[in-house]
Amino acid sequence: AQTVTQSQPEMSVQEAETVTLSCTYDTSESDYYLFWYKQPPSRQMILVIRQEAYKQQNATENRFSVNFQKAAKSFSLKISDSQLGDAAMYFCAYRSARGGSEKLVFGKGTKLTVNP
Amino acid sequence: DTAVSQTPKYLVTQMGNDKSIKCEQNLGHDTMYWYKQDSKKFLKIMFSYNNKELIINETVPNRFSPKSPDKAHLNLHINSLELGDSAVYFCASSFRDRGYGYTFGSGTRLTVV
Repeated sequence: AQTVTQSQPEMSVQEAETVTLSCTYDTSESDYYLFWYKQPPSRQMILVIRQEAYKQQNATENRFSVNFQKAAKSFSLKISDSQLGDAAMYFCAYRSARGGSEKLVFGKGTKLTVNP
Repeated sequence: DTAVSQTPKYLVTQMGNDKSIKCEQNLGHDTMYWYKQDSKKFLKIMFSYNNKELIINETVPNRFSPKSPDKAHLNLHINSLELGDSAVYFCASSFRDRGYGYTFGSGTRLTVV
């Protein structure tokens, strides 16, 4: 079974600075998808970024980018120019590309605090 | 327009009661899910339906019974509620075979007293 590990329960960053959240995963599959979700205090789960394992290019969405290292099974999220609205729980998630294995497996999350 | 809507958003009830949470999606997705988020924020899948067919049934007490009348709706009924059932329950939807992330509802905070 696949597992996702987020080793940083909490992180903090100064407004306008850059922060990197770590995620590692364990799988024997070669084709899969990885995601970062944001959960602000409002509780809503918001998709931040998606990475396809067969693409070597790292995904980018505005101030959010990932460092995907397939051999190391690592998938970190970099937030540039941090804003107060980035304060939230961030969850890393794995989804198999194998047919019939569509469930998202989540890490335990990292709580990000943004200091003004 | 809300893409995945859950009702109610908050639910406070006494132990032993039976309650239901409803979920509807208007995204045309073929698969819907129920996730439970515990007090430590850990998200774990409970059930998944694809076109009204149950395809994922994790180790969940049989007091929890999902029902999908059509592919746009997935409800969760809980019998004989216990204190340990207190959590946030999320409904989500996606296309089964396209590798996209899920779209989540806003969650239902269930408190059993």
